[in-house]
Amino acid sequence: GAVVSQHPSRVICKSGTSVKIECRSLDFQATTMFWYRQFPKKSLMLMATSNEGSKATYEQGVEKDKFLINHASLTLSTLTVTSAHPEDSSFYICSARVVPNTEAFFGQGTRLTVV
Amino acid sequence: AQSVTQPDIHITVSEGASLELRCNYSYGATPYLFWYVQSPGQGLQLLLKYLSGDTLVQGIKGFEAEFKRSQSSFNLRKPSVHWSDAAEYFCAVDPYNQGGKLIFGQGTELSVKP
Repeated sequence: GAVVSQHPSRVICKSGTSVKIECRSLDFQATTMFWYRQFPKKSLMLMATSNEGSKATYEQGVEKDKFLINHASLTLSTLTVTSAHPEDSSFYICSARVVPNTEAFFGQGTRLTVV
Repeated sequence: AQSVTQPDIHITVSEGASLELRCNYSYGATPYLFWYVQSPGQGLQLLLKYLSGDTLVQGIKGFEAEFKRSQSSFNLRKPSVHWSDAAEYFCAVDPYNQGGKLIFGQGTELSVKP
């Protein structure tokens, strides 16, 4: 099966700093990647859709200047949480798909803690 | 409003007992339907999916799910639960049938007692 890897799996950063999370498709080229956020004991909420070579599409209510998404290659998308604050602490999960009309494959998630 | 509903937030079953987790959706057309399992602090593992065709879908770990169009439901079942099945289960819908952009239910936490 297709493998999607996220790095890091856990990160602690100080309030006011920025942190970058990587999402890689290891054995396939992903034209589209998706970023989700999961609060404790809560469901996953789609944050944005990332298409290779173009700007990300953000869901309503997601601050695009806070959560910068870059999809520079067919195997890598990055999510940068800028000027992080404790309320940004969460579990972030990416998924990647190859072509339309197929399922997407999930990474293992990144636990972000802002102190 | 379009939504995915998992009515049961937490279910406890005895090991060896049968299990059914409920999922209802409210979308006009028949979307792609998925069940995922998540262990604490981990990512999502796909259990099974319905794209089209046979409405009874077999998945991994002995799970199955049945799509019922008339009820807009996609309930997950397992005939005999194992202690290792304790986890969070999410029903998800791809409302655009394009693959990947998923709307998740709120999840059902499954506990298994000896």
